[in-house]
Amino acid sequence: EAGVAQSPRYKIIEKRQSVAFWCNPISGHATLYWYQQILGQGPKLLIQFQNNGVVDDSQLPKDRFSAERLKGVDSTLKIQPAKLEDSAVYLCASSLGRLAETQYFGPGTRLLVL
Amino acid sequence: AQSVTQLGSHVSVSEGALVLLRCNYSSSVPPYLFWYVQYPNQGLQLLLKYTSAATLVKGINGFEAEFKKSETSFHLTKPSAHMSDAAEYFCAVSERYSNTGKLIFGQGTTLQVKP
Repeated sequence: EAGVAQSPRYKIIEKRQSVAFWCNPISGHATLYWYQQILGQGPKLLIQFQNNGVVDDSQLPKDRFSAERLKGVDSTLKIQPAKLEDSAVYLCASSLGRLAETQYFGPGTRLLVL
Repeated sequence: AQSVTQLGSHVSVSEGALVLLRCNYSSSVPPYLFWYVQYPNQGLQLLLKYTSAATLVKGINGFEAEFKKSETSFHLTKPSAHMSDAAEYFCAVSERYSNTGKLIFGQGTTLQVKP
């Protein structure tokens, strides 16, 4: 069974530029998550989708971050404009359901904002 | 708000020695509890999880964890460390009566295994 796919794996941009990340979850997984992992910290949930609807986006900086999950499968996360403090690894995860479910993580996209 | 504390950001053990990684949670209602491992340049992988019933949970790669309600703890152990166990370990919680199942992670513990 294929795992969670993410691209690109690495991205370097200058501040105020925009960037987009793509995630393809495990087939059949209804729930999709985007996490931000800053160096030396645990992942922090940015947004959670159930099919193509948003379940939780309470920690998403909505003035610069946006995400969508069209057709309830693939998802994209965008940052516009990027700030230096956005340098982090962005992890995508998926699960069958929500409560007590195992989340399966992709390899992440490492973003460096200069 | 729910929080997770992992005592010790770095733990170093010798190969063959006991591994003990500590995790404490803050809520009065026992949450669902998880341990994930992250190898360099990879995503997180589930080691084990506690949802109900048995308080001693066995996971992959010889790891296990014991839920202790009185101590609000869920410490991870392995009787004998292997070089391949060197990685970052994260404890995470999910509130039992949440409608999202959102995970809240600790800050992580780096395990070093010395030959």
